[in-house]
Amino acid sequence: AQSVSQHNHHVILSEAASLELGCNYSYGGTVNLFWYVQYPGQHLQLLLKYFSGDPLVKGIKGFEAEFIKSKFSFNLRKPSVQWSDTAEYFCAVNGDSWGKLQFGAGTQVVVTP
Amino acid sequence: DAGVIQSPRHEVTEMGQEVTLRCKPISGHDYLFWYRQTMMRGLELLIYFNNNVPIDDSGMPEDRFSAKMPNASFSTLKIQPSEPRDSAVYFCASSLAATGELFFGEGSRLTVL
Repeated sequence: AQSVSQHNHHVILSEAASLELGCNYSYGGTVNLFWYVQYPGQHLQLLLKYFSGDPLVKGIKGFEAEFIKSKFSFNLRKPSVQWSDTAEYFCAVNGDSWGKLQFGAGTQVVVTP
Repeated sequence: DAGVIQSPRHEVTEMGQEVTLRCKPISGHDYLFWYRQTMMRGLELLIYFNNNVPIDDSGMPEDRFSAKMPNASFSTLKIQPSEPRDSAVYFCASSLAATGELFFGEGSRLTVL
């Protein structure tokens, strides 16, 4: 069975700092990978996704993620965060059960002014 | 498209009462998911449907929970009888098998007193 691990539960950083959130998955086959964001009091929204092709994926709001197959990782990055990036971020994998997305536990990110 | 529509947005009820949550997926999507989100347990998949057929209900907590999808445009999640520990935000999401990308509704916040 597949599983998703997010390394950090809480991250606090200042505006303009760089952000990197780790995500590792365990599944040996072909996977589709996603990062979702949940702003306070809102539903989950897609930030970016990887299906195939260029392993460096660019998403909305300046976010990007890199798929490293050999490391089973799909880390999320943003060079310079803003206060409005305060949210919870979820990594998700779709592999062994097509249609069923496996979510990580989430990382709460707080950006201070 | 209006996106995934859930109702009610908020519900406050007393222990022992029946609760019915409703979801209208995005037209044309063939997968529908029910998730529950709490502070303690994060995002949990309760059940999902493919072409209106329940595929995996292993996440349903117990017999008090039931879900139906009578047609491609409507699903319900019912809790009977409700208990305080059922208090959570319940999200419905839909997707197309071809992409695996989930689109979430705004959620139904349930409080059981």
